[in-house]
Amino acid sequence: DAGVTQSPTHLIKTRGQQVTLRCSPKSGHDTVSWYQQALGQGPQFIFQYYEEEERQRGNFPDRFSGHQFPNYSSELNVNALLLGDSALYLCASSPQWGTIDYGYTFGSGTRLTVV
Amino acid sequence: QKEVEQDPGPLSVPEGAIVSLNCTYSNSAFQYFMWYRQYSRKGPELLMYTYSSGNKEDGRFTAQVDKSSKYISLFIRDSQPSDSATYLCAMSAFNDYKLSFGAGTTVTVRA
Repeated sequence: DAGVTQSPTHLIKTRGQQVTLRCSPKSGHDTVSWYQQALGQGPQFIFQYYEEEERQRGNFPDRFSGHQFPNYSSELNVNALLLGDSALYLCASSPQWGTIDYGYTFGSGTRLTVV
Repeated sequence: QKEVEQDPGPLSVPEGAIVSLNCTYSNSAFQYFMWYRQYSRKGPELLMYTYSSGNKEDGRFTAQVDKSSKYISLFIRDSQPSDSATYLCAMSAFNDYKLSFGAGTTVTVRA
């Protein structure tokens, strides 16, 4: 059973460009969250999607946007990239929105480097 | 001040030792407490999940939560080289589904 799949695994972008990261949740999971993990830091919550709607958002600027598709997969878009956006972007899925009891399954992440 | 504080270490112990990890937090609304393990170039993997105060044991792992002190701990008994990883504490409040993470503690178990 495949877990959470993220693509690409690595990405290098130039400051000011736009980037799209992709996530396929674990089979049977319908809720997707995105986290940003800077080097040496814990993951920071970006937002969560359920039923194709953004349900909760962390303290990230509007440059960060997302989308969830009918098959539960999700995209994270970042516009006007800054050097400080360089980080590991993690996707996490869970089987039921509205409860934390089942935990979150994380993907291996996309390593974004902004130069 | 960060919402969740965790000593980044690094922590190096000999094989078979007890590893002791801890986090403190400032948000009294936190009710769900988790420990994740993250290997290099991998995503976090859930190890332990506890609700409110108390202890929970799972094999070689014991998680403790003391809400009165806003302090949580993870103990790893009979540590193995395969336990070498970064350990992240994470917390969430009731009806709030985002996780607030500590910075992570890097642990090395020497064979």
